[in-house]
Amino acid sequence: QKEVEQNSGPLSVPEGAIASLNCTYSDRGSQSFFWYRQYSGKSPELIMFIYSNGDKEDGRFTAQLNKASQYVSLLIRDSQPSDSATYLCAVDPQAGTALIFGKGTTLSVSS
Amino acid sequence: GAVVSQHPSRVICKSGTSVKIECRSLDFQATTMFWYRQFPKQSLMLMATSNEGSKATYEQGVEKDKFLINHASLTLSTLTVTSAHPEDSSFYICSARDGGAYEQYFGPGTRLTVT
Repeated sequence: QKEVEQNSGPLSVPEGAIASLNCTYSDRGSQSFFWYRQYSGKSPELIMFIYSNGDKEDGRFTAQLNKASQYVSLLIRDSQPSDSATYLCAVDPQAGTALIFGKGTTLSVSS
Repeated sequence: GAVVSQHPSRVICKSGTSVKIECRSLDFQATTMFWYRQFPKQSLMLMATSNEGSKATYEQGVEKDKFLINHASLTLSTLTVTSAHPEDSSFYICSARDGGAYEQYFGPGTRLTVT
């Protein structure tokens, strides 16, 4: 059974702080890794994806991948109240197949 | 990013009737589309995967005769909920992927309420 694990939270951070969201996956052969943001009552929105070990930065977001440890993380710098949402980690076990999603981590940014 | 649309965004129907939901990729050709269902405060549940011109592949526990999926073109997939019942009330979301791309983009979702 291929699984993606996330801490459900809630993760609470003050405005301006760095939020760190973590994810582990069970299938060592997984190819690419995604972070989605989902606001309450809305569909998921792709934030970024990563497929090579190391860091990938996009604005205030940095994705980190460590395939040896089967670990993916998302850092959000200068967190804003508008970042309050559920963050879904997803793993692509094989190109073209359905992503495997974690249950999501709820982030709350207080002003 | 790529744009995926869904129609309708919200639908209310009577028990026993059928409802069709459309999912369109607006600026790319979606060789594969996925249909998900999400109940309140729960995680996404994959219902089925459809490839253009092929029969959909349903996840275990999803009734293929109740949830009819048609992926007739590279830009359109439809989900028909047949003989809907109140327990089918949920948030239905499609996503699409361009064959050569890593990314999978979601439509805005359809909220179905069966009375």
